[in-house]
Amino acid sequence: EDQVTQSPEALRLQEGESSSLNCSYTVSGLRGLFWYRQDPGKGPEFLFTLYSAGEEKEKERLKATLTKKESFLHITAPKPEDSATYLCAVQVGRDDKIIFGKGTRLHILP
Amino acid sequence: ETGVTQTPRHLVMGMTNKKSLKCEQHLGHNAMYWYKQSAKKPLELMFVYNFKEQTENNSVPSRFSPECPNSSHLFLHLHTLQPEDSALYLCASSPQGSGGGNTDTQYFGPGTRLTVL
Repeated sequence: EDQVTQSPEALRLQEGESSSLNCSYTVSGLRGLFWYRQDPGKGPEFLFTLYSAGEEKEKERLKATLTKKESFLHITAPKPEDSATYLCAVQVGRDDKIIFGKGTRLHILP
Repeated sequence: ETGVTQTPRHLVMGMTNKKSLKCEQHLGHNAMYWYKQSAKKPLELMFVYNFKEQTENNSVPSRFSPECPNSSHLFLHLHTLQPEDSALYLCASSPQGSGGGNTDTQYFGPGTRLTVL
């Protein structure tokens, strides 16, 4: 069965304290992996798409990487405004099914 | 207006009411989706429309009825809901839709927070 697991479930960091969020997947036929940011009461906001192992993408303080089993979202010197839930999703199979993880709630303390 | 919009943003309804959620996308996309988001659960895909045709229905109860009159508009008609249906309902759109063999990024609306009393 295709699965996406995100860890940790929640993470509290001090402002400026770099860390990484993990998204591990067991799927057949990965077509792409997506990262989204979701603020409370709002819809997910698209961040990155990664297509193949070894690929990396960056946006401001965020960098996403992909291996054959997992993806990391690295956050460098975070600020309080980076506090949000970060969602990982994979697109798989011939029917391009999309499966979301439960997300990681990130809280950056000033 | 740009992106994906949803109305209403908040809805409270009784179990015997009938209401509808509306979604509109201004991105020129060909596929639209309804998701349910409950606390501490992954997003649950409910319905998919490609070029106005329903291509997926993930065992959603019949008290939820989708309608897609054109590629820019999507509705979710609600009737005789249960309290456990209370959740954030998200609409999304994507350029190509599923089954095309191409990776297809979804763009989400702000959601409708539904409370069933």
